[in-house]
Amino acid sequence: GQSLEQPSEVTAVEGAIVQINCTYQTSGFYGLSWYQQHDGGAPTFLSYNGLDGLEETGRFSSFLSRSDSYGYLLLQELQMKDSASYFCAVKEVKSTFGDGTTLTVKP
Amino acid sequence: ETGVTQTPRHLVMGMTNKKSLKCEQHLGHNAMYWYKQSAKKPLELMFVYNFKEQTENNSVPSRFSPECPNSSHLFLHLHTLQPEDSALYLCASSRDRGTGELFFGEGSRLTVL
Repeated sequence: GQSLEQPSEVTAVEGAIVQINCTYQTSGFYGLSWYQQHDGGAPTFLSYNGLDGLEETGRFSSFLSRSDSYGYLLLQELQMKDSASYFCAVKEVKSTFGDGTTLTVKP
Repeated sequence: ETGVTQTPRHLVMGMTNKKSLKCEQHLGHNAMYWYKQSAKKPLELMFVYNFKEQTENNSVPSRFSPECPNSSHLFLHLHTLQPEDSALYLCASSRDRGTGELFFGEGSRLTVL
C-alpha cells in the first residue's frame, strides 16, 4: 500500500523560511504534489515534482528525491496569509494524500 | 463560471433521507474525482471517473452511489447514511487521470443526524 508522512504542525514567524518534509512509501510513483488548504476552503494546487530536483514558483519551492522517497515544500518570506494546512500527495495512477501539516505564522 | 463548482455547500440529512451532491467543472478536463475529508484524517479518494467511465471505486460503501453523465458533471447520490459519514466531500478534476494537478471545488459539508 501507500503511506505518506509529514509533520502535523509547524510554527514560524513572519518573514521566516519554513520547510515541510514529506516521506512516502508507494508502489508505482509518478510524482509528488503539494496543496494548500485554508480553513473552510478548497485545497489548491501549489506544485508538482515529476523529476528529482527543485521547482520554484515565487516564494514557494518544492524538492523531490526519488531515490530517498522524500520531498519538501519550502516557503520563504512567510506572510500571515500562509497560515494554512499543507498536504503532500503521491501521484501514482491516483493521488494519495498525506495527513497534512498545519502551518501557523506568527507576527 | 470558472473552475469546479459544488452544490450544496452545506447539507444536513437524516439517516433515512436520500440526497445528492453535485459537481460541475468548466475546465474542459476529462477526469473527475470524489474525495472525503474528515476531521483529523487525510483526504480519502472515493471514486475516479475518466471520460465518464468509472475507473476506481476505493472500497466505498454502496450507500454512496456516483454518477457521471458527462465529462463536466459528477454526482454523488446518498442514501441511508450513517453519522460517521458526516464529512466534507470534495470534488476535483484534472486534465486526465495521469495528471498530477487536481483542481478542487469548495466542497459540500455533510452532516448526518
